[in-house]
Amino acid sequence: QVHLVQSGAEVKKPGTSVKISCEASGYSLASYTMHWVRQAPGQSLEWMGWISGGNSNTKYSQKFQDRVTFTSDTSANVVYMELSRLRSDDTTLYFCARGFSSNDPRLDLWGQGTQVTVSS
Amino acid sequence: QSMLTQPPSASGTPGQRVTISCSGSKSNIGSNYVYWYQQLPGAAPKLLIYKTNQRPSGVPDRFSGSKSGTSASLAISGLRSEDEADYHCAAWDGSLGGRMLFGGGTNLTVL
Repeated sequence: QVHLVQSGAEVKKPGTSVKISCEASGYSLASYTMHWVRQAPGQSLEWMGWISGGNSNTKYSQKFQDRVTFTSDTSANVVYMELSRLRSDDTTLYFCARGFSSNDPRLDLWGQGTQVTVSS
Repeated sequence: QSMLTQPPSASGTPGQRVTISCSGSKSNIGSNYVYWYQQLPGAAPKLLIYKTNQRPSGVPDRFSGSKSGTSASLAISGLRSEDEADYHCAAWDGSLGGRMLFGGGTNLTVL
């Protein structure tokens, strides 16, 4: 059975960084891309970017490209999302989601979400 | 444009057919596929429609997608109580270096 399991909730102070993991089970990371999407309570989804599991190529949204880093560990089948210089408006739910390919961004498998709270 | 435009809410009675619209521009819906996601309360989104009108396996054929110009629609026929959820459209956008755009989401209520 294929699924994505994300790391647990985080509480961080403004200006610090957070690193969230997303472990893939039942399939090889190398065969797909992994996208990161966030969602504030009661709000819409916001795309942050993707990383290719096979060669670690990345594509970041311009909004986040100076603060976000995606990495992957194919041996452990885990991808990571690190967001730096945290602000209060980064308080939201973060999802990893499997992308079919770099040319087909259908997100067909989602993690359960990781809540990040930024508070002094 | 930072997001696609959807109505915030929609409703219907069981058995009815409802449609949810999604409006964009030439750089997104007008030139790329549209995707639809269903998000039940407290859950992660689930892929409902891909490549504008294709259903993943397991999605009932009550759900269908279409596109015309810079607008897209999701139709749900034979509405059921378990269809009550938020629905999000999405499309790749070629501006600003390339990005995925989502709609604001439509909350569907089954009366």
